[in-house]
Amino acid sequence: AQKVTQAQTEISVVEKEDVTLDCVYETRDTTYYLFWYKQPPSGELVFLIRRNSFDEQNEISGRYSWNFQKSTSSFNFTITASQVVDSAVYFCALTPNTGGFKTIFGAGTRLFVKA
Amino acid sequence: SQTIHQWPATLVQPVGSPLSLECTVEGTSNPNLYWYRQAAGRGLQLLFYSVGIGQISSEVPQNLSASRPQDRQFILSSKKLLLSDSGFYLCAWSRPDRGAYEQYFGPGTRLTVT
Repeated sequence: AQKVTQAQTEISVVEKEDVTLDCVYETRDTTYYLFWYKQPPSGELVFLIRRNSFDEQNEISGRYSWNFQKSTSSFNFTITASQVVDSAVYFCALTPNTGGFKTIFGAGTRLFVKA
Repeated sequence: SQTIHQWPATLVQPVGSPLSLECTVEGTSNPNLYWYRQAAGRGLQLLFYSVGIGQISSEVPQNLSASRPQDRQFILSSKKLLLSDSGFYLCAWSRPDRGAYEQYFGPGTRLTVT
């Protein structure tokens, strides 16, 4: 089965706290692609990062970092020193190499950052 | 640079009325195109995708249909709306490959069926 699980429905933090959003995926494919998207209150999804299954290097972009671990089928997203502007719904997504063009999205995690 | 447009931004339609949502992409050729629906507080459901003009794949049986009359134009339609069609409709494009690339989303259309 192809599946993405974001177990955290909502997270609330105070500004400047670090927060990690969890993502666990399932796929039988050996080649696949993982993504994170941000959906601010305006509604438009914004692409954040893409990882290939054969590249397990973690990535850091400013206050954002991603931890990809194939051994646990996880692709977690950490925001360091969170800010109010980080408040949004964050989606983790999986595109298996087979199955055509279907990308499977997780249910999303709503992050509230309070001032 | 590439841009994606969707219209209208909001729409209120009575049950049984027709629907036409349009999506256009600029600045790229032969994109993959997608229609998603997002119910309130829920994740994204893929409705249709297209890899070329006239090539449409449907993911979910329903009373919606999609067409791609031009390379960068994607239209979502219905002959008779149902209450359950209410939601936030998002169009997206990606580079023409087997899903290996990220998708870029339009601003969305919020549809309320009354």
